[in-house]
Amino acid sequence: ETGVTQTPRHLVMGMTNKKSLKCEQHLGHNAMYWYKQSAKKPLELMFVYNFKEQTENNSVPSRFSPECPNSSHLFLHLHTLQPEDSALYLCASSQGVSVGQLQETQYFGPGTRLLVL
Amino acid sequence: LAKTTQPISMDSYEGQEVNITCSHNNIATNDYITWYQQFPSQGPRFIIQGYKTKVTNEVASLFIPADRKSSTLSLPRVSLSDTAVYYCLVTGGSYIPTFGRGTSLIVHP
Repeated sequence: ETGVTQTPRHLVMGMTNKKSLKCEQHLGHNAMYWYKQSAKKPLELMFVYNFKEQTENNSVPSRFSPECPNSSHLFLHLHTLQPEDSALYLCASSQGVSVGQLQETQYFGPGTRLLVL
Repeated sequence: LAKTTQPISMDSYEGQEVNITCSHNNIATNDYITWYQQFPSQGPRFIIQGYKTKVTNEVASLFIPADRKSSTLSLPRVSLSDTAVYYCLVTGGSYIPTFGRGTSLIVHP
């Protein structure tokens, strides 16, 4: 148990559906991240929030929409996804003094396994 | 941005010591070396972090030579449950740490 929870753990959706992924951290951190991990590929950073402000958007398509209402919660809203968006979506948090700052260890949640049909 | 290079895969047997080496030739003065472990369908888990010389915790040891252009993660007496992907990252500065493909370690009975 890393102190970062994600729901749902598994999700199957059609290309016309709208769904949301939720992440919650109980570590008192100020930075939160969304990553995408496709089969046999490295983790791809999608979004970074530091003190509730989005600091990174790694050229992610607009069909993915993040939301960070407070430092403990992070959402990823999904709409009109494509089959190639099927992947493991991982949320992480870190202390957040400054993104990428010294000793900025990340704590990951268990991920949401998404399948787009 | 400090790029890291590590072997794609390694094989070992239960009870052996495993050493995974990572190259980071352009590491900056303020950068640290951080290692993560990832099991299938789970998020990466922090293992160890160091700046120079040697760091040891209950899970692993990290050896960093004086020039800091490489580092070695040492797992003592591995078991089947150590089968995972191990990532070496250079962290620090103003950039986001980047996960590469990591090293897939398979421990055989």
